[in-house]
Amino acid sequence: KAGVTQTPRYLIKTRGQQVTLSCSPISGHRSVSWYQQTPGQGLQFLFEYFSETQRNKGNFPGRFSGRQFSNSRSEMNVSTLELGDSALYLCASSLPANTEAFFGQGTRLTVV
Amino acid sequence: GQQLNQSPQSMFIQEGEDVSMNCTSSSIFNTWLWYKQDPGEGPVLLIALYKAGELTSNGRLTAQFGITRKDSFLNISASIPSDVGIYFCAGLTGANNLFFGTGTRLTVIP
Repeated sequence: KAGVTQTPRYLIKTRGQQVTLSCSPISGHRSVSWYQQTPGQGLQFLFEYFSETQRNKGNFPGRFSGRQFSNSRSEMNVSTLELGDSALYLCASSLPANTEAFFGQGTRLTVV
Repeated sequence: GQQLNQSPQSMFIQEGEDVSMNCTSSSIFNTWLWYKQDPGEGPVLLIALYKAGELTSNGRLTAQFGITRKDSFLNISASIPSDVGIYFCAGLTGANNLFFGTGTRLTVIP
């Protein structure tokens, strides 16, 4: 069974640009969550999608958004990038009961 | 968000030694999860705990779900060099929110 797949693995963007990251969950998993990981702040929850609906949301500005498609694949978008958005963005998928969450390898975003 | 206090922040141990780390919270969780993260990779699930008092093993790893539901610990026996990494605890609430601890960075000296 394939794991959670995130693309791309690495990305370099300049300030002010926008970026879209993609996550394909484990087959059969309908819940997808996104996290931002930085050395200073640790793992911070961004949002969770289930059946194409945002079910939970963390404390991030509106520049961070996401969506989920009917096949459970999810994308997150960050607009008007700032230097502080440089981080490892992790996606995790789980079954509808949302017990064990399985992570992808992450997308390393660098904003210059 | 809820605070999960994970300790110690870092550990340096000799190969073969046992390791113990724990996680405490002011809030109750329904599920406790322990993850290991290697540099540049996503966290990998090690152990999941679903009931207060539950003690679960996975090879050299043993974890327990505290009776109060506010804490959990992870033990690693007979450490080896590939145990190096950052270990995270995570607590899942009834509202499906997953909160992570600040991590324990483990270094194993051969």
